[in-house]
Amino acid sequence: NAGVTQTPKFQVLKTGQSMTLQCAQDMNHNSMYWYRQDPGMGLRLIYYSASEGTTDKGEVPNGYNVSRLNKREFSLRLESAAPSQTSVYFCASSRDRLAETQYFGPGTRLLVL
Amino acid sequence: GQQLNQSPQSMFIQEGEDVSMNCTSSSIFNTWLWYKQEPGEGPVLLIALYKAGELTSNGRLTAQFGITRKDSFLNISASIPSDVGIYFCAGRDSGGGADGLTFGKGTHLIIQP
Repeated sequence: NAGVTQTPKFQVLKTGQSMTLQCAQDMNHNSMYWYRQDPGMGLRLIYYSASEGTTDKGEVPNGYNVSRLNKREFSLRLESAAPSQTSVYFCASSRDRLAETQYFGPGTRLLVL
Repeated sequence: GQQLNQSPQSMFIQEGEDVSMNCTSSSIFNTWLWYKQEPGEGPVLLIALYKAGELTSNGRLTAQFGITRKDSFLNISASIPSDVGIYFCAGRDSGGGADGLTFGKGTHLIIQP
């Protein structure tokens, strides 16, 4: 039982490049989330998926797109990376959107040059 | 949006000391959550609080939901080296869902042996 897994662990991009961050959970959870964490800041929600087939914007969605591929997988895409997107990205899942316990993945550390 | 002020930003303490940290909000929350993040990992939920005045313990950790519903406190008694990490508070408003979570900026706890 792996919980929430994220790939890759680390990535370096040049400005303008694109990439997709992958997230998968094996807990049969309905809701999944993407956060970013910046130094001195709390976690900020980028996008979430309350259930399979739905996605909604969070607090900081600009520059990102998401896909809820199936119940297990929720990907985050940067179409044209910018230095301001240098951050640590966390995927999380929960039983449903009202559940207080979110299970977080180990994070993806992204550097955009 | 809501603002969460978490203090202190960092704490340098001796092993065995007690620790106190708190969060205050500009608006009322219906749920307060406390998370711990260890280096290189995602946050893990420690304690969830649902009622004003509620006091909940988890081992050496005790958290309280403030009477005004605009603040919460976390205490750690007799700190040990494995308590090192970043502690985040998070509040959920009447919207209910996890997409309505607001995170504090974190308290870095450093323990000197």
